[in-house]
Amino acid sequence: KQEVTQIPAALSVPEGENLVLNCSFTDSAIYNLQWFRQDPGKGLTSLLLIQSSQREQTSGRLNASLDKSSGRSTLYIAASQPGDSATYLCAVSQFYFGTGTSLTVIP
Amino acid sequence: EPEVTQTPSHQVTQMGQEVILRCVPISNHLYFYWYRQILGQKVEFLVSFYNNEISEKSEIFDDQFSVERPDGSNFTLKIRSTKLEDSAMYFCASSGGSTQYQETQYFGPGTRLLVL
Repeated sequence: KQEVTQIPAALSVPEGENLVLNCSFTDSAIYNLQWFRQDPGKGLTSLLLIQSSQREQTSGRLNASLDKSSGRSTLYIAASQPGDSATYLCAVSQFYFGTGTSLTVIP
Repeated sequence: EPEVTQTPSHQVTQMGQEVILRCVPISNHLYFYWYRQILGQKVEFLVSFYNNEISEKSEIFDDQFSVERPDGSNFTLKIRSTKLEDSAMYFCASSGGSTQYQETQYFGPGTRLLVL
């Protein structure tokens, strides 16, 4: 069974810092990997979708990479802002979610 | 911008009662999903639905669960006899296109279900 792990569970950074969130998965046979943002008590907002055949995707200050062979994906956030404070989830093949990284950006 | 909507936002029910959670996916989307998130735990996949039938389901989606697209706009999740452990936030999602795994999923705001 696919297991998805996100490290760290929580992260606090000063505004303006660049940061990396990590997502690991145990089975490299995946269809895709999505990164989501979840605000407290709210639904999930898709940030980036990486297909199985792709290595990375970029949107604005966000860049996500995928390395299937090592079972890893990273989400890079450049020049962090207080509005980036949220929980970030990765999901493999739409079926398996990680527990998330709670990000706090301090003004 | 189009969005997925869900009703009700909160529902309280007694154990053993039937509940129906409703979702209106984005109008031109073809794939529909239900997930749940028990407080403090991971989001869990329940079921995906395409072309008026279930395309995938998880072990959680047992005989007490059912899904339906009763008309051209609504997508419902029915829990026949609720249990205490069904208390969770239930999310509906939809995605467009003809290939399930190549499209971004759009999630609704969720229905918080509390079973007493």
